[in-house]
Amino acid sequence: DAGITQSPRYKITETGRQVTLMCHQTWSHSYMFWYRQDLGHGLRLIYYSAAADITDKGEVPDGYVVSRSKTENFPLTLESATRSQTSVYFCASSDVMDGYTFGSGTRLTVV
Amino acid sequence: QKEVEQNSGPLSVPEGAIASLNCTYSDRGSQSFFWYRQYSGKSPELIMFIYSNGDKEDGRFTAQLNKASQYVSLLIRDSQPSDSATYLCAVRGRGSTLGRLYFGRGTQLTVWP
Repeated sequence: DAGITQSPRYKITETGRQVTLMCHQTWSHSYMFWYRQDLGHGLRLIYYSAAADITDKGEVPDGYVVSRSKTENFPLTLESATRSQTSVYFCASSDVMDGYTFGSGTRLTVV
Repeated sequence: QKEVEQNSGPLSVPEGAIASLNCTYSDRGSQSFFWYRQYSGKSPELIMFIYSNGDKEDGRFTAQLNKASQYVSLLIRDSQPSDSATYLCAVRGRGSTLGRLYFGRGTQLTVWP
């Protein structure tokens, strides 16, 4: 299917565990982004990537790791999950001058 | 850090009224502006973009841009209950951040029957 897909849609994990959220897009967009959205904070950028093998930090990168070995994939890893990382995570992609298209989101709960 | 401010809301209007959503931005050189709609529990979806001063109309939606005042707005005419959502304003970065959008925190709109 064409578009941008995130997996899983829902995830419950324990404090201290490593978790990877997946993001896949079929448009060959150059840019990909990871945001978290929490009540009272709006969308906050975690990491973004301008192309394969090029990543950069956003506003709230601590505790997260990304990689982009292929243009279409941009996984986000929480190395050691904490309760403060409970959130809704959105992946997005775009070409440089277009608006973003967002994935459906992953609701992550850290217990 | 680029600032994008939206009227905090929530905004409540009756069905059929005009809803006016406002956004200001700090970078005077910004060129591209976007409006997203986000229903509760869903992801943001792009509904309008505007690059030039003036008005841009798309159905019941009109985006207005005034670069001199660093102000962008979204008007929703003949508001419907299905327009009830959070509306996010976004501004494209420049230079090394050209690929990024900077988002406001959103304005929650409720349209009551």
